[in-house]
Amino acid sequence: EAQVTQNPRYLITVTGKKLTVTCSQNMNHEYMSWYRQDPGLGLRQIYYSMNVEVTDKGDVPEGYKVSRKEKRNFPLILESPSPNQTSLYFCASSLRFSGGYNEQFFGPGTRLTVL
Amino acid sequence: AQSVTQPDIHITVSEGASLELRCNYSYGATPYLFWYVQSPGQGLQLLLKYFSGDTLVQGIKGFEAEFKRSQSSFNLRKPSVHWSDAAEYFCAVGISNAGNNRKLIWGLGTSLAVNP
Repeated sequence: EAQVTQNPRYLITVTGKKLTVTCSQNMNHEYMSWYRQDPGLGLRQIYYSMNVEVTDKGDVPEGYKVSRKEKRNFPLILESPSPNQTSLYFCASSLRFSGGYNEQFFGPGTRLTVL
Repeated sequence: AQSVTQPDIHITVSEGASLELRCNYSYGATPYLFWYVQSPGQGLQLLLKYFSGDTLVQGIKGFEAEFKRSQSSFNLRKPSVHWSDAAEYFCAVGISNAGNNRKLIWGLGTSLAVNP
């Protein structure tokens, strides 16, 4: 089954404790992206990746890191989480773009609480 | 600046009634338009998309949407709502910018409640 998976689905942690949220897709997609969803602010892009070893900042990258060492995986790293990073996180992927647009497929989300 | 507006924060309809969720966008180029649904505790599921061609597009679960360029709108409709349609609905526009990023700009969502 074609899908985007995220782990963990739920995480409660404390300020400053490094964590990684994994994202993996089995559709051989080149493009991957992370969004966070917050009440009243909607979904905002954190980072994106056009292909292996190619990543760039989205609209709200502060406090986050990403890596793309393999095509299928795009982990989101919080080196020193803070309470303002409490949010619902979504990973998305799609085929590479050639002038137009392709549908993005979303993972189930990771609900993160930072105390 | 690009933006998506969903004027209705919350809508309540009776089961079997028709539904229309509004979406207006602001984007200077050709828009790529999407409607996603998010059920409680679930991820985002694509209902339908508009890229080009026929301005009335059909989606899953009996939903349809109409693109009206003159009104910068992409309203979602369903002729008869089922209780299982209760969820959060998001309109989004796909844009491209420097570096070929294809991020989605999202509306804030419309929460749909369905009365039995």
